[in-house]
Amino acid sequence: EAGVTQSPTHLIKTRGQQVTLRCSPISGHTSVYWYQQALGLGLQFLLWYDEGEERNRGNFPPRFSGRQFPNYSSELNVNALELEDSALYLCASSLDQSSGNTIYFGEGSWLTVV
Amino acid sequence: QKEVEQNSGPLSVPEGAIASLNCTYSDRGSQSFFWYRQYSGKSPELIMSIYSNGDKEDGRFTAQLNKASQYVSLLIRDSQPSDSATYLCAVKASGTYKYIFGTGTRLKVLA
Repeated sequence: EAGVTQSPTHLIKTRGQQVTLRCSPISGHTSVYWYQQALGLGLQFLLWYDEGEERNRGNFPPRFSGRQFPNYSSELNVNALELEDSALYLCASSLDQSSGNTIYFGEGSWLTVV
Repeated sequence: QKEVEQNSGPLSVPEGAIASLNCTYSDRGSQSFFWYRQYSGKSPELIMSIYSNGDKEDGRFTAQLNKASQYVSLLIRDSQPSDSATYLCAVKASGTYKYIFGTGTRLKVLA
């Protein structure tokens, strides 16, 4: 069974540009989570999607946005990139909203903003 | 603000010893707790989850939960150099479906 897949794995962007990161959850999983992990720092919660809806959002500016498609895959968009957006962006999925479900991570997308 | 606290380490243990990793959380209503391992430059991988007070064993790993003390720990028996990684404690916050991560404890197992 395929795990959570993310693309691209690495990318370099210039300050001010826009980027779209993609995530496919484990088959059967309906919830998708996005986290940011800057170098040497902990995981910061960005967004949670379930059944196509944004359910929760972390303390990030509006230029961080995303969506979930009918097939439960998801995109994370970051507009007006800043140098401090350089980080590992992790997508995770879980079965559904039920309490206690484990989340499983993809390999992440490394974003460098220059 | 619901928080999860971990000692950043590094925690150094000799090969074959027991490594003990600790985590405290602030949200008394939390019901779900997880330990992840993250190798440098890689994504977190699940080690185990625990939901009830007491111990839960899986191979060389034992998770311990004490909800009254708001404390979760992970014991690694017979530590191996391949266990050297950062260990992340995660708590599912009550009233939401947000998973809150600690900043992780870096473990170094010395051969």
